[in-house]
Amino acid sequence: DGGITQSPKYLFRKEGQNVTLSCEQNLNHDAMYWYRQDPGQGLRLIYYSQIVNDFQKGDIAEGYSVSREKKESFPLTVTSAQKNPTAFYLCASSDDSRYEQYFGPGTRLTVT
Amino acid sequence: GEDVEQSLFLSVREGDSSVINCTYTDSSSTYLYWYKQEPGAGLQLLTYIFSNMDMKQDQRLTVLLNKKDKHLSLRIADTQTGDSAIYFCAEILSGGSYIPTFGRGTSLIVHP
Repeated sequence: DGGITQSPKYLFRKEGQNVTLSCEQNLNHDAMYWYRQDPGQGLRLIYYSQIVNDFQKGDIAEGYSVSREKKESFPLTVTSAQKNPTAFYLCASSDDSRYEQYFGPGTRLTVT
Repeated sequence: GEDVEQSLFLSVREGDSSVINCTYTDSSSTYLYWYKQEPGAGLQLLTYIFSNMDMKQDQRLTVLLNKKDKHLSLRIADTQTGDSAIYFCAEILSGGSYIPTFGRGTSLIVHP
């Protein structure tokens, strides 16, 4: 079955540590995205990549980094510079026909 | 700039119809989407409509688009408890980066 996977579902880290969230897709989509969702908030775009080896900052990129070495993979690193990292993180991908986004199940990150 | 607005909450009785409203500000929107998010999960595409359409029906879902008022609505007929979720509308602008702008989401609560 085609889809997007994110792992792990829940992640706990101590303050000051970097942490990497995984996102993999087998939909053969060129574009991939990372969003952050806080309670009662909509989706805020962190980074996006429209093609392998290229990515762009979204609205809230500070304290985050990404890489896009393979079409299938778009990992997100939450660095210690991110002031408030506890949130629900969603990865998505899209094709270039209707541009609809396909979302993964999300990773809930808790930093204490 | 573009902005997408939705009311935050809607409460309906099981079996009634639900109407979730969305207002967008950019008349050059090309694609408009409705997504559903169940608790602790990613977003799932429900339906979409092109800007050259006025209405789209898909089983219990009816999407109405009023381009003059920049108003989009999602009607769910015979609402069930399983429809309880957060519903997001999103728009994509033509000639842009094809990254959707999401509303903050409407939390639909269906009670018996």
